Amino acid sequence: DTGVSQNPRHKITKRGQNVTFRCDPISEHNRLYWYRQTLGQGPEFLTYFQNEAQLEKSRLLSDRFSAERPKGSFSTLEIQRTEQGDSAMYLCASSPPGTGTGELFFGEGSRLTVL
Amino acid sequence: SQQGEEDPQALSIQEGENATMNCSYKTSINNLQWYRQNSGRGLVHLILIRSNEREKHSGRLRVTLDTSKKSSSLLITASRAADTASYFCATSTAGDYKLSFGAGTTVTVRA
Repeated sequence: DTGVSQNPRHKITKRGQNVTFRCDPISEHNRLYWYRQTLGQGPEFLTYFQNEAQLEKSRLLSDRFSAERPKGSFSTLEIQRTEQGDSAMYLCASSPPGTGTGELFFGEGSRLTVL
Repeated sequence: SQQGEEDPQALSIQEGENATMNCSYKTSINNLQWYRQNSGRGLVHLILIRSNEREKHSGRLRVTLDTSKKSSSLLITASRAADTASYFCATSTAGDYKLSFGAGTTVTVRA
């Protein structure tokens, strides 16, 4: 098992551009989470999926953000019309079925810099 | 929003010393977890303590939970340079499958 994989690891973009991040969870993990982390802060919850269903979205998630998990496997997080305030580390995590809110397995993150 | 708050924000200790950090939270929890994050990396799960447990050990880690005070502590004994990292507490509430993280404690272990 290779763990949670996130791509790209780093993305530099200009304000107003769209960016997309991909997360491949650990196989057979049915829950997938997206968090955002800014420098010196803890991760902030953005959204999570159980299989392909998006079950919760944070109020922090503006309508410029959209996440999908079309076949219940990998997930994408798209940010449209990026702003400098979107600069952050975007973390993906997954968890196996039947564990309640147990351990989350995190990827290495995708760092976004908006110029 | 962040449910937990860690204290202190930063901690610097000598190798071999113990490191203690605290976490306070606001609402009733299902469990509390501690994670470690090395600079620029993802988070790694350290330990989980359920709301009906008071103390838990894992190797050099000791976690306590006081639900009456809504607080937890993480003790790292005999610290090593490799323990240099940020440590976060995270809470879950009943019926909620997401974790809420605090702002973290940055620990520096000096050789």
